[in-house]
Amino acid sequence: EVQLVESGGGLVQPGGSLRLSCAASGYTISNYWMTWVRQAPGKGLEWVATINQDGSETYYVGSVRGRFTISRDNSKNSQYLQMNSLRAEDTALYYCGSGRSVGYWGQGTQVTVSS
Amino acid sequence: DIQMTQSPSAMSASVGDRVTITCRASQDISNYVAWFQQNPGKVPKRLIYVSSTLQSGVPSRFSGSGSGTEFTLTISGLQPEDFATYYCLQHNSYPLTFGGGTRLEMK
Repeated sequence: EVQLVESGGGLVQPGGSLRLSCAASGYTISNYWMTWVRQAPGKGLEWVATINQDGSETYYVGSVRGRFTISRDNSKNSQYLQMNSLRAEDTALYYCGSGRSVGYWGQGTQVTVSS
Repeated sequence: DIQMTQSPSAMSASVGDRVTITCRASQDISNYVAWFQQNPGKVPKRLIYVSSTLQSGVPSRFSGSGSGTEFTLTISGLQPEDFATYYCLQHNSYPLTFGGGTRLEMK
Protein backbone atom coordinates (compact mmCIF):
# COMPACT_ATOMS: atom_id res chain seq x y z
CA GLU A 1 0.00 0.00 0.00
CA VAL A 2 1.33 3.41 -0.97
CA GLN A 3 1.77 5.80 1.94
CA LEU A 4 3.10 9.32 2.10
CA VAL A 5 3.73 10.72 5.56
CA GLU A 6 4.54 14.38 6.07
CA SER A 7 6.26 15.85 9.11
CA GLY A 8 7.92 19.07 10.17
CA GLY A 9 5.00 21.44 10.32
CA GLY A 10 4.32 23.73 13.25
CA LEU A 11 3.93 27.27 14.50
CA VAL A 12 6.60 29.73 13.38
CA GLN A 13 6.98 33.48 13.54
CA PRO A 14 6.96 35.60 10.39
CA GLY A 15 10.40 35.52 8.82
CA GLY A 16 11.16 32.12 10.30
CA SER A 17 11.95 28.81 8.63
CA LEU A 18 10.62 25.27 8.59
CA ARG A 19 11.65 22.11 6.77
CA LEU A 20 8.91 19.74 5.78
CA SER A 21 9.66 16.09 5.11
CA CYS A 22 7.66 13.47 3.26
CA ALA A 23 8.52 9.81 3.69
CA ALA A 24 7.13 7.39 1.15
CA SER A 25 6.47 3.69 1.60
CA GLY A 26 4.91 1.01 -0.55
CA TYR A 27 6.65 2.23 -3.70
CA THR A 28 9.95 3.72 -4.87
CA ILE A 29 9.80 7.44 -5.47
CA SER A 30 12.89 7.44 -7.70
CA ASN A 31 10.68 6.75 -10.73
CA TYR A 32 8.29 9.63 -10.05
CA TRP A 33 8.07 13.38 -10.04
CA MET A 34 7.09 14.61 -6.57
CA THR A 35 4.92 17.57 -5.64
CA TRP A 36 3.84 19.78 -2.74
CA VAL A 37 0.34 21.24 -2.62
CA ARG A 38 -1.09 23.49 0.10
CA GLN A 39 -4.52 24.48 1.29
CA ALA A 40 -5.12 27.58 3.38
CA PRO A 41 -7.93 27.39 5.95
CA GLY A 42 -11.29 27.38 4.17
CA LYS A 43 -9.66 27.84 0.76
CA GLY A 44 -8.96 25.78 -2.33
CA LEU A 45 -5.94 23.79 -3.37
CA GLU A 46 -2.76 25.58 -4.45
CA TRP A 47 0.16 23.90 -6.20
CA VAL A 48 3.45 24.88 -4.53
CA ALA A 49 6.36 23.00 -6.10
CA THR A 50 7.38 19.96 -8.14
CA ILE A 51 10.69 18.13 -8.59
CA ASN A 52 11.70 15.62 -11.23
CA GLN A 53 13.02 12.13 -10.62
CA ASP A 54 16.69 12.98 -10.11
CA GLY A 55 16.22 16.45 -8.65
CA SER A 56 17.68 18.25 -11.65
CA GLU A 57 14.44 20.12 -12.40
CA THR A 58 12.42 22.09 -9.88
CA TYR A 59 9.41 24.33 -10.37
CA TYR A 60 7.65 26.72 -8.00
CA VAL A 61 4.57 28.87 -7.76
CA GLY A 62 5.58 32.51 -8.04
CA SER A 63 4.65 33.44 -4.48
CA VAL A 64 7.24 31.07 -2.99
CA ARG A 65 10.01 31.19 -5.58
CA GLY A 66 13.25 32.30 -3.93
CA ARG A 67 11.95 31.44 -0.44
CA PHE A 68 11.10 27.73 -0.71
CA THR A 69 13.33 24.92 -1.94
CA ILE A 70 12.08 21.49 -2.93
CA SER A 71 14.52 18.59 -2.77
CA ARG A 72 14.58 14.83 -2.56
CA ASP A 73 16.70 11.95 -1.35
CA ASN A 74 15.81 8.87 -3.35
CA SER A 75 18.02 6.71 -1.11
CA LYS A 76 15.72 7.63 1.77
CA ASN A 77 12.57 7.48 -0.38
CA SER A 78 11.78 10.99 0.77
CA GLN A 79 11.23 14.50 -0.43
CA TYR A 80 11.53 17.81 1.40
CA LEU A 81 10.38 21.40 1.35
CA GLN A 82 12.66 23.98 2.94
CA MET A 83 10.62 27.08 3.68
CA ASN A 84 12.41 30.33 4.55
CA SER A 85 11.22 33.89 5.12
CA LEU A 86 7.78 32.60 6.02
CA ARG A 87 4.80 34.92 5.82
CA ALA A 88 1.33 34.84 7.32
CA GLU A 89 -0.06 33.97 3.89
CA ASP A 90 1.98 30.74 3.90
CA THR A 91 -0.27 29.42 6.67
CA ALA A 92 -1.83 26.26 5.28
CA LEU A 93 -2.04 22.50 5.38
CA TYR A 94 0.84 21.25 3.24
CA TYR A 95 0.35 18.01 1.33
CA CYS A 96 3.03 15.82 -0.18
CA GLY A 97 2.04 14.26 -3.48
CA SER A 98 3.29 11.73 -5.97
CA GLY A 99 3.55 12.73 -9.61
CA ARG A 100 2.78 15.96 -11.38
CA SER A 101 -0.91 15.15 -11.35
CA VAL A 102 -0.74 13.98 -7.72
CA GLY A 103 -1.99 10.43 -7.87
CA TYR A 104 -1.21 9.85 -4.21
CA TRP A 105 -1.49 12.28 -1.30
CA GLY A 106 -0.20 12.37 2.24
CA GLN A 107 -2.39 13.37 5.17
CA GLY A 108 -0.81 16.82 5.31
CA THR A 109 1.18 18.77 7.87
CA GLN A 110 -0.06 22.09 9.28
CA VAL A 111 2.11 25.18 8.96
CA THR A 112 1.03 28.25 10.90
CA VAL A 113 2.91 31.52 10.54
CA SER A 114 1.98 33.92 13.29
CA SER A 115 3.55 36.15 15.90
CA ASP B 1 0.40 31.51 -16.16
CA ILE B 2 -2.51 29.34 -17.25
CA GLN B 3 -5.79 30.15 -15.51
CA MET B 4 -8.27 27.36 -14.87
CA THR B 5 -11.80 28.74 -14.61
CA GLN B 6 -14.04 26.21 -12.94
CA SER B 7 -17.82 26.39 -13.01
CA PRO B 8 -20.12 26.38 -11.26
CA SER B 9 -18.49 27.30 -7.96
CA ALA B 10 -21.36 25.62 -6.13
CA MET B 11 -24.36 23.57 -7.07
CA SER B 12 -27.06 21.47 -5.48
CA ALA B 13 -28.34 18.17 -6.77
CA SER B 14 -30.18 15.05 -5.67
CA VAL B 15 -29.16 11.43 -5.35
CA GLY B 16 -29.43 9.84 -8.77
CA ASP B 17 -28.89 13.06 -10.71
CA ARG B 18 -26.34 13.52 -13.45
CA VAL B 19 -24.07 16.52 -12.90
CA THR B 20 -21.39 18.16 -15.00
CA ILE B 21 -18.57 20.40 -13.83
CA THR B 22 -16.51 22.40 -16.31
CA CYS B 23 -12.98 23.78 -16.33
CA ARG B 24 -11.83 26.19 -18.99
CA ALA B 25 -8.13 26.81 -19.52
CA SER B 26 -6.84 30.20 -20.59
CA GLN B 27 -4.73 28.50 -23.27
CA ASP B 28 -4.37 25.13 -24.95
CA ILE B 29 -3.26 22.49 -22.46
CA SER B 30 -3.79 19.43 -24.66
CA ASN B 31 -5.32 16.76 -22.39
CA TYR B 32 -3.26 17.42 -19.26
CA VAL B 33 -6.09 17.80 -16.78
CA ALA B 34 -6.76 15.86 -13.61
CA TRP B 35 -9.87 15.94 -11.41
CA PHE B 36 -9.97 15.58 -7.63
CA GLN B 37 -12.64 15.03 -5.01
CA GLN B 38 -12.27 16.37 -1.49
CA ASN B 39 -14.66 15.64 1.34
CA PRO B 40 -14.72 18.04 4.31
CA GLY B 41 -11.67 17.56 6.50
CA LYS B 42 -10.30 14.86 4.22
CA VAL B 43 -7.39 14.46 1.86
CA PRO B 44 -8.06 15.13 -1.83
CA LYS B 45 -8.43 12.07 -4.02
CA ARG B 46 -7.61 11.90 -7.72
CA LEU B 47 -10.54 10.69 -9.81
CA ILE B 48 -9.39 11.28 -13.39
CA TYR B 49 -6.07 12.03 -15.08
CA VAL B 50 -5.05 13.04 -18.60
CA SER B 51 -8.57 14.30 -19.07
CA SER B 52 -10.43 11.00 -19.28
CA THR B 53 -8.49 8.15 -17.64
CA LEU B 54 -10.29 6.84 -14.58
CA GLN B 55 -8.12 6.33 -11.52
CA SER B 56 -8.03 2.72 -10.38
CA GLY B 57 -10.74 2.03 -7.83
CA VAL B 58 -12.88 5.03 -8.75
CA PRO B 59 -16.48 4.15 -9.64
CA SER B 60 -17.38 4.21 -13.31
CA ARG B 61 -20.13 6.79 -12.71
CA PHE B 62 -17.29 9.34 -12.83
CA SER B 63 -16.07 10.32 -16.27
CA GLY B 64 -13.93 13.05 -17.77
CA SER B 65 -13.64 14.51 -21.22
CA GLY B 66 -12.16 17.39 -23.15
CA SER B 67 -9.02 18.64 -24.78
CA GLY B 68 -7.49 21.96 -25.63
CA THR B 69 -9.19 24.49 -23.38
CA GLU B 70 -12.48 22.94 -22.25
CA PHE B 71 -12.82 19.99 -19.90
CA THR B 72 -15.70 18.37 -18.07
CA LEU B 73 -16.19 16.02 -15.15
CA THR B 74 -19.48 14.17 -15.21
CA ILE B 75 -21.01 12.15 -12.41
CA SER B 76 -23.81 9.91 -13.67
CA GLY B 77 -26.14 8.79 -10.92
CA LEU B 78 -25.06 10.76 -7.85
CA GLN B 79 -24.51 8.75 -4.69
CA PRO B 80 -24.61 10.16 -1.15
CA GLU B 81 -20.82 9.91 -0.84
CA ASP B 82 -20.34 12.09 -3.93
CA PHE B 83 -21.42 15.30 -2.19
CA ALA B 84 -18.03 16.95 -1.87
CA THR B 85 -15.83 19.63 -3.42
CA TYR B 86 -14.24 18.96 -6.81
CA TYR B 87 -11.12 20.54 -8.30
CA CYS B 88 -9.48 20.42 -11.69
CA LEU B 89 -5.71 20.70 -12.14
CA GLN B 90 -3.79 21.53 -15.31
CA HIS B 91 -0.41 19.78 -15.43
CA ASN B 92 0.59 20.82 -18.92
CA SER B 93 2.91 23.67 -17.99
CA TYR B 94 4.36 25.40 -14.96
CA PRO B 95 3.15 26.85 -12.74
CA LEU B 96 0.59 24.09 -12.38
CA THR B 97 -2.80 25.54 -11.52
CA PHE B 98 -5.95 24.29 -9.85
CA GLY B 99 -9.43 25.47 -10.61
CA GLY B 100 -11.26 27.33 -7.86
CA GLY B 101 -13.36 24.32 -6.88
CA THR B 102 -17.00 23.27 -7.16
CA ARG B 103 -18.92 22.54 -3.98
CA LEU B 104 -21.58 19.94 -4.70
CA GLU B 105 -24.34 19.96 -2.11
CA MET B 106 -27.39 17.84 -1.58
CA LYS B 107 -30.66 19.43 -2.61
